[in-house]
Amino acid sequence: DTAVSQTPKYLVTQMGNDKSIKCEQNLGHDTMYWYKQDSKKFLKIMFSYNNKELIINETVPNRFSPKSPDKAHLNLHINSLELGDSAVYFCASSQAKVNTEAFFGQGTRLTVV
Amino acid sequence: GENVEQHPSTLSVQEGDSAVIKCTYSDSASNYFPWYKQELGKRPQLIIDIRSNVGEKKDQRIAVTLNKTAKHFSLHITETQPEDSAVYFCAASVGNYGQNFVFGPGTRLSVLP
Repeated sequence: DTAVSQTPKYLVTQMGNDKSIKCEQNLGHDTMYWYKQDSKKFLKIMFSYNNKELIINETVPNRFSPKSPDKAHLNLHINSLELGDSAVYFCASSQAKVNTEAFFGQGTRLTVV
Repeated sequence: GENVEQHPSTLSVQEGDSAVIKCTYSDSASNYFPWYKQELGKRPQLIIDIRSNVGEKKDQRIAVTLNKTAKHFSLHITETQPEDSAVYFCAASVGNYGQNFVFGPGTRLSVLP
């Protein structure tokens, strides 16, 4: 019954590796997001997709590549991981046309060592 | 683009007292203003929201006010309890196609018993 689910919950990896985080929502929403929350708790938008189409792409290194195979999924692939990529990554979804709340996944704590 | 500021960054109150958190936004097109509560290690969850056609909204001990002219909105929590301790985020959003939530930097609220 989880509305927005992302996997894995924890990810520890070495510098230089490539990793992916998966996100799925079963709310029928048309918009999905990736947010990065750093150690100071600041929630910063990375990407926004509406019906599989990229809408927002903030200043994010091109090592980060989102993929939306359908409007219920938005995965995040990260190449050549760096120490500074360590953070909690949240997936979220909303129904944009009715302008209502965004529902968040449980977060993925990424630690790069 | 939208910029959301939030004050204070930390707030300590005695149990039973009131807490007020204030936010300002820059984009006059923003028309939806949610407030999220994030407990330690958990996902942000909506606690109350307000749309631009409303000046005030209340839900039990929580209330939100919006001043569109001044572009600021506030969260009021009355009769605070220890379980209110968390990080609170305000956000501003423009609806329709490509909805984008811009979050404030957060307020860490501590309710002292």
